[in-house]
Amino acid sequence: GDSVIQMQGQVTLSENDFLFINCTYSTTGYPTLFWYVQYSGEGPQLLLQVTTANNKGSSRGFEATYDKGTTSFHLQKTSVQEIDSAVYYCAMRREGGRALIFGTGTTVSVSP
Amino acid sequence: GALVYQYPRRTICKSGTSMRMECQAVGFQATSVAWYRQSPQKTFELIALSTVNSAIKYEQNFTQEKFPISHPNLSFSSMTVLNAYLEDRGLYLCGAGSSGNTLYFGEGSRLIVV
Repeated sequence: GDSVIQMQGQVTLSENDFLFINCTYSTTGYPTLFWYVQYSGEGPQLLLQVTTANNKGSSRGFEATYDKGTTSFHLQKTSVQEIDSAVYYCAMRREGGRALIFGTGTTVSVSP
Repeated sequence: GALVYQYPRRTICKSGTSMRMECQAVGFQATSVAWYRQSPQKTFELIALSTVNSAIKYEQNFTQEKFPISHPNLSFSSMTVLNAYLEDRGLYLCGAGSSGNTLYFGEGSRLIVV
């Protein structure tokens, strides 16, 4: 069935470190892929989305490439800051669908 | 920009009672509203998807009898948790979007059952 896999439950970094969060998906056709970020006490906010395979999305220094070949949508940021501490969710909307399927989330903790 | 408001933010209810939560979309037409529950472990469960002029589609393990949803217009939706018990606790999130585009989420309605 359709699924989104985030293997890393927790990532701990220091400021200016490189961030990489792994995300793979499983579905048929060409889904739209998303990254959402959820800060403590808030709802999830859209960070970036990519609709077309092999395209890259970017926002606030974060970027992710929709790789149809490896069915991946990994998130990365060159230099994280303490304010980037949050839970990051990879999500997918299957082709023709309306609801989102979320991964289990990756908690990113950045120390100053 | 697109904004989604949810209220109440937090409710404490006695076991066996019900809680109604509301979702308001501002700045766009919410043709689709998806209700999710976020567990204490932070995972998202899709409860149901409501699309204007279509039947509400509930996911497995969630029923209309337990989680009745109303989506009367393009800016508002509500959901009730009937006969809430401990396993119903969590953060209920409303994600609203237009014409199959991005879902924008509110800050959630947290249900605490005592």
